[in-house]
Amino acid sequence: SYELTQPLSVSVALGQTARITCGGNNIGSKNVHWYQQKPGQAPVLVIYRDSNRPSGIPERFSGSNSGNTATLTISRAQAGDEADYYCQVWDSSTRVFGGGTKLTVL
Amino acid sequence: EVQLVESGGGLVKPGGSLRLSCAASGFTFSSYSMNWVRQAPGKGLEWVSSISSSSSYIYYADSVKGRFTISRDNAKNSLYLQMNSLRAEDTAVYYCARDSDSGWPLDYWGQGTLVTVSS
Repeated sequence: SYELTQPLSVSVALGQTARITCGGNNIGSKNVHWYQQKPGQAPVLVIYRDSNRPSGIPERFSGSNSGNTATLTISRAQAGDEADYYCQVWDSSTRVFGGGTKLTVL
Repeated sequence: EVQLVESGGGLVKPGGSLRLSCAASGFTFSSYSMNWVRQAPGKGLEWVSSISSSSSYIYYADSVKGRFTISRDNAKNSLYLQMNSLRAEDTAVYYCARDSDSGWPLDYWGQGTLVTVSS
């Protein structure tokens, strides 16, 4: 089965740029989606199909995908961006999630 | 406005059964695939099962195969998850979520319903 690997935690200073990676075998050939989840809330889609932002998601959120790594980039990080972030792909008709990354804004 | 509202969670003993429901509104339910995703306390997201728009294609995670059954009623705009032979490790918040064709995201999620399996 396909596996996605994320760092357990990432820290970023207020106003700086955070990068959260998602590793998988030839993940560049797949469509990667990213979700943000704050404590006690349901996940929210922030990036879909590698680099597209749903309506209402700030331009500070961007994504890229190539080779064996997809990356979620959060520019000008704000306190409100502190959350868990999950990457997700389709694999043989199943949906696969990464283990999640806790983003801390210092 | 798209809304997904789960219900049916609760406390059940190991080996017991529970049926979850998800009521959908604000979109053409019969045009979308639907999923159940769970999250154990303090853990990450785990995809559980999916069902295509017409129920033609159904998939399960290995961890629930043979114990859980997903179904839908497009006339009632509802999604279901029948959970049998429940184990302690099935304890989680269960979310229903919408997606569509291959490669598209889970774009709307419900607020979740908590299932606790304990004696």
